[in-house]
Amino acid sequence: KAGVTQTPRYLIKTRGQQVTLSCSPISGHRSVSWYQQTPGQGLQFLFEYFSETQRNKGNFPGRFSGRQFSNSRSEMNVSTLELGDSALYLCASKAGAGNEQFFGPGTRLTVL
Amino acid sequence: QQQVKQSPQSLIVQKGGISIINCAYENTAFDYFPWYQQFPGKGPALLIAIRPDVSEKKEGRFTISFNKSAKQFSLHIMDSQPGDSATYFCAASMSNQGGKLIFGQGTELSVKP
Repeated sequence: KAGVTQTPRYLIKTRGQQVTLSCSPISGHRSVSWYQQTPGQGLQFLFEYFSETQRNKGNFPGRFSGRQFSNSRSEMNVSTLELGDSALYLCASKAGAGNEQFFGPGTRLTVL
Repeated sequence: QQQVKQSPQSLIVQKGGISIINCAYENTAFDYFPWYQQFPGKGPALLIAIRPDVSEKKEGRFTISFNKSAKQFSLHIMDSQPGDSATYFCAASMSNQGGKLIFGQGTELSVKP
């Protein structure tokens, strides 16, 4: 089985812009979670989608949003980018009832 | 209450030695505790996981020890190898919160040849 894929792998944006990141989960996995990884804050949970519905949300401002499509692929959007949004954004997928989450390689976002 | 505290922040071990990383949690509702390994430029990879009804789980050179009463769990890497040099993260989650993982701050392990 192919693993979790994320596109693009690298992205450079300027403050005030918006960005959309994409994640394709492992085939058959219906849950997709997003995490932000920074040197200062570590790995922080953003939100989880299951069957096109947001099932869980972390403590991030409303500028961070997501969605999931009927094929389980997910997108994450960040609007009005700030310098502090520079991070590695990771997507993880899991089968519906299981606990094991498998991460993609991440999208490195740099905000200038 | 949602925090997972991990120590040490960094660890240097000689090849063949035992690497030990510790984590502590407060929320007794956590019921799944995985460990992840992350190499530079890569996403975290699931290494091994345990549930609170088991005190120890071993997979190859990796062992999780779990102490429910102390609310602590640890990762032991036996016969550490230079290829084990990576950042290790412990995490915790609750079954009723789906895929939400709460991560420790990470331990940078360096295994010297």
